[in-house]
Parts: sequence; structure tokens; C-alpha cells
Amino acid sequence: QVQLQESGPGLVRPSETLSLTCTVSGGSISSYYWSWIRQPPGKGLEWIGFIYYSGSTNYNPSLKSRVTISVDTSKNQFSLKLSSVTAADTAVYYCARLYDAIYFDYWGQGILVTVSS
Amino acid sequence: QSALTQPASVSGSPGQSITISCTGTSSDVGGYNYVSWYQQHPGKAPKLMIYDVSNRPSGVSNRFSGSKSGNTASLTISGLQAEDEADYYCTSYTSSSTLVFGGGTKLTVL
Repeated sequence: QVQLQESGPGLVRPSETLSLTCTVSGGSISSYYWSWIRQPPGKGLEWIGFIYYSGSTNYNPSLKSRVTISVDTSKNQFSLKLSSVTAADTAVYYCARLYDAIYFDYWGQGILVTVSS
Repeated sequence: QSALTQPASVSGSPGQSITISCTGTSSDVGGYNYVSWYQQHPGKAPKLMIYDVSNRPSGVSNRFSGSKSGNTASLTISGLQAEDEADYYCTSYTSSSTLVFGGGTKLTVL
């Protein structure tokens, strides 16, 4: 059974860079797409972007200028960096496996990241 | 890319059937059979309920079904149960090789 676990700081200062890591267990990160999704408090889900295990990426156009997703196959991890954050980036951030780049079949439990000074 | 359009809320009584719509464009919902649906209970991660418009993952009740006509996809839940009360989100693959979510629908079981 594939399991995903997000980790990283729960508090980020405005204008700084949010950095999160997703650790995959119970299966290899190879041969799959992996994605980040976020959900502001009380609001809906927003797709952030995905990465293939080989390193190719695609991002939500509305966030593209600030987002970088990377993968470390040796550690079975992938990561998210979101730069120049504001209060609007406060959200629960989920990592998920994106099967065939089409649907999310496994999700992490989510991590709340608050942007505040 | 614009979010897919879902009704903000739907409701139904136990045993009844409800349908949640998800409207996009020919560049997403209408262009591909790659619509998926997720159930999210409060404080929990979303759970995949339907993929590729109408396929159910192993372990998902057959009370959940999906369909699509033109630019609108639909999720139908039959024989409503109290445990079905949750938020539901649709997602579609797009012509830009990106993913887009619907705004979400809150299902209330009366």
C-alpha cells in the first residue's frame, strides 16, 4: 500500500519561500507522476503542479512563476518550493500520486502551512 | 485556466439519489474522458471515488457512478447514506496537460 507523508515548516514569513517534502513509502517513486495540491481554509482544492519521476514538470499557470517541484528518486521523495509567499498562500498542502498524469489515487494526510509574520 | 463549475450544495434524504454536475469546456471535460471525482470529509484528505469519467476504484461502493455528456460530467450517488455527507470535487485533464479542479459541492444528507 503506497503511503505519502508531507513534512516541512508550519509557519512561513511573508515574502519568503515555502518548502515542503513528500516522502513516499510502500512503493517506488519511479514510473509515476507526483503532484502537489493545496486547500485554503474553508475553500476548495487547487492543483499546484506535477513532476514525473524523470524530472519533467508541469505547473498551474496561475502559480507557475513562483513554483518549483523537484524529485529525489534515491530518497523516494519529491519537493515543493513556492517563492514570495503572502497570506493568500496559507493552506493545507497535500502531496499525491497522479496516476498516468490523469487522476490522484493516493494522497498524503496534508500539512497546514500558515504565512504570517 | 478556469475552475470547473459545480453547484455549491446539494441535498437528499437517506435512500434517495442525487447528482452533482461538473461543467467545463471543450478544452478539458469535453475534450477528454479524464474526469475524476473525490470525496472529502472534514479534516481529511480527499479520496478517489471515480476516475476516467465512470470507473470505480476497488473498494468504492457501486452506489457511486459517473457519466459525461458534452462539456458536463456528473456524479450520481444512489441509496444515499449518512456517511455520504461530505464535500465532492471533480477534476479534469486539460489540453495544456494540466489538471483543473471544480469548486466543490457540499452534500448534505437530510
